[in-house]
Amino acid sequence: GENVEQHPSTLSVQEGDSAVIKCTYSDSASNYFPWYKQELGKRPQLIIDIRSNVGEKKDQRIAVTLNKTAKHFSLHITETQPEDSAVYFCAASMNDMRFGAGTRLTVKP
Amino acid sequence: KAGVTQTPRYLIKTRGQQVTLSCSPISGHRSVSWYQQTPGQGLQFLFEYFSETQRNKGNFPGRFSGRQFSNSRSEMNVSTLELGDSALYLCASSLGEGGANQPQHFGDGTRLSIL
Repeated sequence: GENVEQHPSTLSVQEGDSAVIKCTYSDSASNYFPWYKQELGKRPQLIIDIRSNVGEKKDQRIAVTLNKTAKHFSLHITETQPEDSAVYFCAASMNDMRFGAGTRLTVKP
Repeated sequence: KAGVTQTPRYLIKTRGQQVTLSCSPISGHRSVSWYQQTPGQGLQFLFEYFSETQRNKGNFPGRFSGRQFSNSRSEMNVSTLELGDSALYLCASSLGEGGANQPQHFGDGTRLSIL
């Protein structure tokens, strides 16, 4: 089945800096790649997603890139703010959704 | 629109008991997926239902089961509870068939503690 690896497990940045989280997947048939943000004690919330026929997608300060050949995708957050502090999960799916282990992002004011 | 609603929010059981968790999807959503979240294993896929049929199943023992009703509400059941079943159980709904390939909207989860 699909295996998703996510790095780094923790990331600390200064407010205003950029943050990058990377994921790799094993099943070349995976065709949908969402990213979720989970604040402490809250539900995971979808922040951006990308499909396998698209290489890059941007939504304000958040962007995702996908390299199908290398089977990796990345989340980029620019101009980070303290409210961006949370755990971020990547996922890859075809028939079922497999999640990475999560990245705890801390944005220091 | 109301979001995904899961009940109960918290549950305490003892080993050997069974438990039933409930999930009401967003109105109009027909696909429901269940996940187990633990600090050690992260988010793991349990199963997905669409039109009252289980479409996909994760790698969990047969003690974990589920069903979906005609109004798209779903329940999951865990029998013969073990200490390792302590976790946050999350339900997510999506619009149509193939829920894993669509934006999923999560509920707040049911936190199950096994004593």
